[in-house]
Amino acid sequence: NAGVTQTPKFRVLKTGQSMTLLCAQDMNHEYMYWYRQDPGMGLRLIHYSVGEGTTAKGEVPDGYNVSRLKKQNFLLGLESAAPSQTSVYFCASRPTGRDEQFFGPGTRLTVL
Amino acid sequence: KQEVTQIPAALSVPEGENLVLNCSFTDSAIYNLQWFRQDPGKGLTSLLLIQSSQREQTSGRLNASLDKSSGRSTLYIAASQPGDSATYLCAVTRYNKLIFGAGTRLAVHP
Repeated sequence: NAGVTQTPKFRVLKTGQSMTLLCAQDMNHEYMYWYRQDPGMGLRLIHYSVGEGTTAKGEVPDGYNVSRLKKQNFLLGLESAAPSQTSVYFCASRPTGRDEQFFGPGTRLTVL
Repeated sequence: KQEVTQIPAALSVPEGENLVLNCSFTDSAIYNLQWFRQDPGKGLTSLLLIQSSQREQTSGRLNASLDKSSGRSTLYIAASQPGDSATYLCAVTRYNKLIFGAGTRLAVHP
């Protein structure tokens, strides 16, 4: 099992550009999450999904959209990137009935 | 609003020392508390999970305690090793969501 994978690992954008971050998990987990981590701060929840076809807002959802068309994939979109979205983005998943979340390696995004 | 605080923000100790990392949270209505390890440039690895009804969990040289009434948890690392150098994050679960502290950056030097 590859676990949770994230694509790409690094990306540099210019202000106003758009992009999509892909999270994939091969563990058949129901729940998936997108977090961002900024220096000196803990991870903050952007959006999450409790199953295929569902999405919900987290703590800091503004400027992001998500989709969960397939159970194994959770996409995070930035329609018009801003420098404030420079961060490291982590995806996580967990199965129903268990509390432990499994994290991907992260995507480092810089918006100039 | 639930807030999670970790003290100290950074810690440097010589190899072999026993150490304690602290985590506090403002709302005791939590489902569980987890401790994670994060290596530079890597994702998070779950170390210990304590359910709200439990007082402590142990795994090898690691022991985590939970005192819900006081809103505190500690992570005890025995006989620290250079390989323990990493950032340690605590997070509480509430309404199926994790709320993280900012972490303690630990350096264990030979």
